[in-house]
Amino acid sequence: GQQLNQSPQSMFIQEGEDVSMNCTSSSIFNTWLWYKQDPGEGPVLLIALYKAGELTSNGRLTAQFGITRKDSFLNISASIPSDVGIYFCAGNRDDKIIFGKGTRLHILP
Amino acid sequence: NAGVTQTPKFQVLKTGQSMTLQCAQDMNHEYMSWYRQDPGMGLRLIHYSVGAGITDQGEVPNGYNVSRSTTEDFPLRLLSAAPSQTSVYFCASKRGGGYTFGSGTRLTVV
Repeated sequence: GQQLNQSPQSMFIQEGEDVSMNCTSSSIFNTWLWYKQDPGEGPVLLIALYKAGELTSNGRLTAQFGITRKDSFLNISASIPSDVGIYFCAGNRDDKIIFGKGTRLHILP
Repeated sequence: NAGVTQTPKFQVLKTGQSMTLQCAQDMNHEYMSWYRQDPGMGLRLIHYSVGAGITDQGEVPNGYNVSRSTTEDFPLRLLSAAPSQTSVYFCASKRGGGYTFGSGTRLTVV
């Protein structure tokens, strides 16, 4: 089946640091999506990418759709305490959206 | 708009019982899906629907049935609950782009 490999699994950073996480796949996707999940809630869409090579920002978040259509990355600049949570990448192909296993972001005081 | 509404929020079942998890959206979205979330496994697709009357299997469909008789509703049925189905279940809907998720149903099967 289609697999998304998301890394790292978890990150411990200091407030103010930049964060980078990525997702790779052996399959091509038509759309890449990045979600954030807070405890006890459903995932919330952060950024959607629709074209290979596309670079999109949403405030302090920047994501790119890899040129091969098999990967994507998400950067968070100048992290703040409310950035804590689990970040998921997801790929859309053939009407299905498949999720990575998530990156858990911890911010140290 | 209420978005995607899931009921119940919590449920405990005994092994072998059946039940239906409800999902409703008021955004006139064509696509709806059910995912389950287990620790360390991310979200895994159970079943999805591209429109009323059309459903298809996802990654982990065994033990679950769905139907889509209306655009708004996409119930998930557990036919004979097993402990392996203990999980958090999320329903989601979209028209284009990414899904909007409900707040989840936490199911425990004992």
